[in-house]
This record gives sequence, structure tokens and C-alpha cells, in this order.
Amino acid sequence: DTAVSQTPKYLVTQMGNDKSIKCEQNLGHDTMYWYKQDSKKFLKIMFSYNNKELIINETVPNRFSPKSPDKAHLNLHINSLELGDSAVYFCASSQISMRESGYEQYFGPGTRLTVT
Amino acid sequence: DQQVKQNSPSLSVQEGRISILNCDYTNSMFDYFLWYKKYPAEGPTFLISISSIKDKNEDGRFTVFLNKSAKHLSLHIVPSQPGDSAVYFCAASVWQDDKIIFGKGTRLHILP
Repeated sequence: DTAVSQTPKYLVTQMGNDKSIKCEQNLGHDTMYWYKQDSKKFLKIMFSYNNKELIINETVPNRFSPKSPDKAHLNLHINSLELGDSAVYFCASSQISMRESGYEQYFGPGTRLTVT
Repeated sequence: DQQVKQNSPSLSVQEGRISILNCDYTNSMFDYFLWYKKYPAEGPTFLISISSIKDKNEDGRFTVFLNKSAKHLSLHIVPSQPGDSAVYFCAASVWQDDKIIFGKGTRLHILP
């Protein structure tokens, strides 16, 4: 049973396109996150949602829009893709907030996005 | 601005010996530290953590040491096993910020 799943695993697209990455967790967690791991290997938080409510938005361009239809899903939609958006995107979840869950997060396998 | 630094991109250790992964941080406000392990094509998995009120936390073969005055922490794995070969991320957080700052990771190779 996959705890946190992401689709697709790989995504190759051209500049200017709009794409979405889906994330689902079956752990019953309240909080979900999106991270970006860039070419320098830094893993940086982009967004966090708690019970469908946006908690953290880390100065991410407006072209990135997370959507949480329910607390088990947090999708990431990206408009007008740019070359610099190429990265691995990880979804994660935690039982409650990071503080209250001891910062233990469960990560998905990642989506490698390549913009050409 | 790298607040969490892992200066060794890779480390090779003989199976059965001790692996020591190091991490430095610059933000004195950090009060919680974590280590995550990552295999290829998988997401990071939580390994062990330590609060700033402690200087050591142990979980089986894994021990994390925290030296607040030096702003340094280390992860010790004893004995090292082949399944320990992975990338290890050091991470830190300020309690009220509710987010984790990750380092760039250190790739650990366990040699047979």
C-alpha cells in the first residue's frame, strides 16, 4: 500500500505549457506539502495545506497554484512553464502540523519535471 | 543563503564500520533537527530527530549528536550495513515557523 503517491512520475513538457501534478495520501493525515528539489539538490518547501487550508506559501511564483479538493489530495498546477521549473517535486504529508507531529513527514516518490 | 550545510557531498565507509555524517547550521534560532534518508527514485524518509534541549538521541544503530555552541550536528551509524547506502539529508526548524530547512544531502556508500 502506497502511503503518499504522486502522478506522474516523470513529466517532460515544453516552455509555456500548463501542467498538473497530483498527490494523494492514504494515511489519514491532516497536513500536506509540496517541496521542490532543484538542480543544486536543495529540498525547499513550497506550500503546506492543513485540512484544505493554505498554511505556508514560500514566495513561490503565482504560476504555481496548489489545489486541495479534500484533505487526502493536494495537487500542484503550474501555468506557463519555464526552463527554471525543471526539478523534482515531492509531495509530503504529516499527521497534524509539523510542530505537533514532531516534524515527521511522509514523502511521495517525487515527480521529475523537465521543461524543454 | 544556506542555513543548513552538509559540506561532504559523498562518503564511503566499509561495511561494519562507523559512518559519521556531519551537518552545520547558521541560524541560532533552530531548535529542532532531523535526519532524513533517501533512496534513488524514492522520497526522503524520516530517520531520527533531536530537540535543541538535548545533545544526543539514539535509536538502534543511529545516534544523532548536537553541539549547539558549534552549531554542528552529526549522525552516527554503527555498524554500517549495505542497506544504509543512500543520500542523507540534515534538516532543521524553528518551532514557530512550522517548516523544515534541508541541507543538500550527503551520499553514503557502504563498501563490502
